Amino acid sequence: AQRVTQPEKLLSVFKGAPVELKCNYSYSGSPELFWYVQYSRQRLQLLLRHISRESIKGFTADLNKGETSFHLKKPFAQEEDSAMYYCALRSFQKLVFGTGTRLLVSP
Amino acid sequence: SQTIHQWPATLVQPVGSPLSLECTVEGTSNPNLYWYRQAAGRGLQLLFYSVGIGQISSEVPQNLSASRPQDRQFILSSKKLLLSDSGFYLCAWEGKTGTGNTIYFGEGSWLTVV
Repeated sequence: AQRVTQPEKLLSVFKGAPVELKCNYSYSGSPELFWYVQYSRQRLQLLLRHISRESIKGFTADLNKGETSFHLKKPFAQEEDSAMYYCALRSFQKLVFGTGTRLLVSP
Repeated sequence: SQTIHQWPATLVQPVGSPLSLECTVEGTSNPNLYWYRQAAGRGLQLLFYSVGIGQISSEVPQNLSASRPQDRQFILSSKKLLLSDSGFYLCAWEGKTGTGNTIYFGEGSWLTVV
């Protein structure tokens, strides 16, 4: 069955430090993976998707099929990056989410 | 442009009372529609999804039901609420972008069952 695992509930870093939010998945087919973000008092929104191979707000994520991972990375964290981050996997018409990681960036 | 509206934003209901959360999408036609629940420590759990009017797929057995009476309207209901139904409910719709489908979320509804 499809599953998304985010092992860290909370990740706390200082401003300027590198950030890596971990995501592992379980899926029998060819995966389509996403990162969603929810800033304080805002709605959940798409951050990036692996198909686009894009960098959004300095974040990147590379799909590693061998390790079944899709970790989200940013070389230098900013205070405005503090938010809840969800990794998600598309399974047919459904989007399956992980439990989320709260990123806290301190000054 | 497309928008999604979800209401009410907050709701406090006694155990055993009915529930109706409504969601409407504007600016698109024949969207896929979703209801998710966000519970502490459990992430986002897909409850129902719909690919068209009257077509509802349930993901988990529960005390809730969903209906899609119109193309852009999705309703989450319960006849008798349980304490365990408390949580944050998110409606979402699926659109298409140049690089695949994007799912857009509403602002959510906080339900507290007392």
